[in-house]
Amino acid sequence: AQSVTQLGSHVSVSEGALVLLRCNYSSSVPPYLFWYVQYPNQGLQLLLKYTSAATLVKGINGFEAEFKKSETSFHLTKPSAHMSDAAEYFCAVSTYSSASKIIFGSGTRLSIRP
Amino acid sequence: NAGVTQTPKFQVLKTGQSMTLQCAQDMNHEYMSWYRQDPGMGLRLIHYSVGAGITDQGEVPNGYNVSRSTTEDFPLRLLSAAPSQTSVYFCASSYWQAGTRGTGELFFGEGSRLTVL
Repeated sequence: AQSVTQLGSHVSVSEGALVLLRCNYSSSVPPYLFWYVQYPNQGLQLLLKYTSAATLVKGINGFEAEFKKSETSFHLTKPSAHMSDAAEYFCAVSTYSSASKIIFGSGTRLSIRP
Repeated sequence: NAGVTQTPKFQVLKTGQSMTLQCAQDMNHEYMSWYRQDPGMGLRLIHYSVGAGITDQGEVPNGYNVSRSTTEDFPLRLLSAAPSQTSVYFCASSYWQAGTRGTGELFFGEGSRLTVL
């Protein structure tokens, strides 16, 4: 069965600094990978997704993620943090054979220091 | 478009009571699912459906029932609530095409906060 592990339950960066949120996946078959964001008291919304096309995926709000098969990773980055990026971020995985089961990681809360 | 609508937004139950969380979507999505969110545990899949009349279990199905009689609605039933079911519940839907087996973007409702005393 597929799974994801998000390293770091809480990440704090200064405004303007690089954002790096880590996600490692486990899957015996090629995965589909997703990053979602959740703002306080709201549902989740998709930031970006990887579905076996380009390994560098660009998403909304300046975020991007790179699929690295050799490292089984799909880390989320943003060159310059903005105060509005403060939220909780979730990595998720599914596969072609289990596309109906989208499994989420435990989440990383991102705080931005002024 | 309303998107995914969940009701109620808040509910307090006593142990042993039953209730139904409602979920409706107006995007004609075949795929619908229920997740629960607990601190430090992310979202865990309870049940999902890839079309009317088709449901299946996710990671944590015990204590919950679902049915899918229409494309639009996917209610989640708690038959005998327990304190361990205190959580925030999210319904989500997505485009689903049987031939490709892929889900597109998951669209989430705003959540239903359930407390079981």
